[in-house]
Amino acid sequence: DVKVTQSSRYLVKRTGEKVFLECVQDMDHENMFWYRQDPGLGLRLIYFSYDVKMKEKGDIPEGYSVSREKKERFSLILESASTNQTSMYLCASSLRGIEQYFGPGTRLTVT
Amino acid sequence: QQQVKQSPQSLIVQKGGISIINCAYENTAFDYFPWYQQFPGKGPALLIAIRPDVSEKKEGRFTISFNKSAKQFSLHIMDSQPGDSATYFCAASSGANSKLTFGKGITLSVRP
Repeated sequence: DVKVTQSSRYLVKRTGEKVFLECVQDMDHENMFWYRQDPGLGLRLIYFSYDVKMKEKGDIPEGYSVSREKKERFSLILESASTNQTSMYLCASSLRGIEQYFGPGTRLTVT
Repeated sequence: QQQVKQSPQSLIVQKGGISIINCAYENTAFDYFPWYQQFPGKGPALLIAIRPDVSEKKEGRFTISFNKSAKQFSLHIMDSQPGDSATYFCAASSGANSKLTFGKGITLSVRP
């Protein structure tokens, strides 16, 4: 079974803090993705990566950056957290254009 | 511009009934159309998917119907059960990459 794990299920941070969300997959997938999920807005793609050290912007990259130093790990970074970044963050991985496997999500609250 | 639109926004169905969720897309380059199911506290999981070379795909109680000319596809859940209560997302992608464009999701409630 493919497993995508995220470092925290719940996270509370203060405005202006630097926040790291970690995602690890165990199936040697090339592709990894970060989404945020908000009520009424569905899933919106923040960043994705097709290979180590490679990244591409998704639909809403502003205020975020990513890092992929190893194939199995994809990190989402909020350089200076703001209250409008309070959301559910979902990581996913896939193998060459097929099914995306999602992690359980991290619910981030920025106060 | 929303490229993938779902309807209705929410759905309540009696146990044993048929649940129908519709999705419309705009980009004619899309060539992969999955439906994802999400239970509370979990990440979405692939339920069923279709490519435009077929008009229908069935897996158990779940069927995707695809209408290329209308740029629409729909999910039918036969004999709906309370355990099917979840949020359902349609999505679409094109080309060799697996970047998906998701609809906004709909919440299905199946009443006992």
